[in-house]
Amino acid sequence: DAKTTQPPSMDCAEGRAANLPCNHSTISGNEYVYWYRQIHSQGPQYIIHGLKNNETNEMASLIITEDRKSSTLILPHATLRDTAVYYCIVRGIISNFGNEKLTFGTGTRLTIIP
Amino acid sequence: NAGVTQTPKFRVLKTGQSMTLLCAQDMNHEYMYWYRQDPGMGLRLIHYSVGEGTTAKGEVPDGYNVSRLKKQNFLLGLESAAPSQTSVYFCASSYSRVGPETQYFGPGTRLLVL
Repeated sequence: DAKTTQPPSMDCAEGRAANLPCNHSTISGNEYVYWYRQIHSQGPQYIIHGLKNNETNEMASLIITEDRKSSTLILPHATLRDTAVYYCIVRGIISNFGNEKLTFGTGTRLTIIP
Repeated sequence: NAGVTQTPKFRVLKTGQSMTLLCAQDMNHEYMYWYRQDPGMGLRLIHYSVGEGTTAKGEVPDGYNVSRLKKQNFLLGLESAAPSQTSVYFCASSYSRVGPETQYFGPGTRLLVL
């Protein structure tokens, strides 16, 4: 799996959009970009994933650059409950012959400020 | 639909004692995983299973054993607990055999080995 680089911490004002960057310059053509988050003391929670097109769901939007070497997770209207560690993970698809683990780095600690 | 559940939530062991952590999922997922998380670190994969009756080693399998006798359950055993196994243990499960895969995590088991 390609390595990812994220800033260790970020702050965002409540109600504003939180933009979390991730660099994955060694990503290969069949690898997806996943985002998970972990709220204090809880299990990681899936947020969104994408291959090359921008994606949006009820939680967030994912913007992937055209060269796929970086991406941004956008939480459109951050609330205090969005305070968490956010993990950007690049991973290939699972095949029938093996399994690729999710490699969690140290992520970005996002703090939403009232 | 409870998702992924873990039992127990918290446990204190003495060095040399044994215990089993239980993970259960009600989503009919094929794949199940055990991770551990230590302070300031990301999650590390201990063992995983790609189906009932199968198990495989992850990146930190030493000191642990697993079993997957039923599709919905994945057990993690510590035969002789050591202080280095003090950690938070997360179980996860996923459905897809091919294509992008989303892992769903349990709430965690906090283990303290004295």
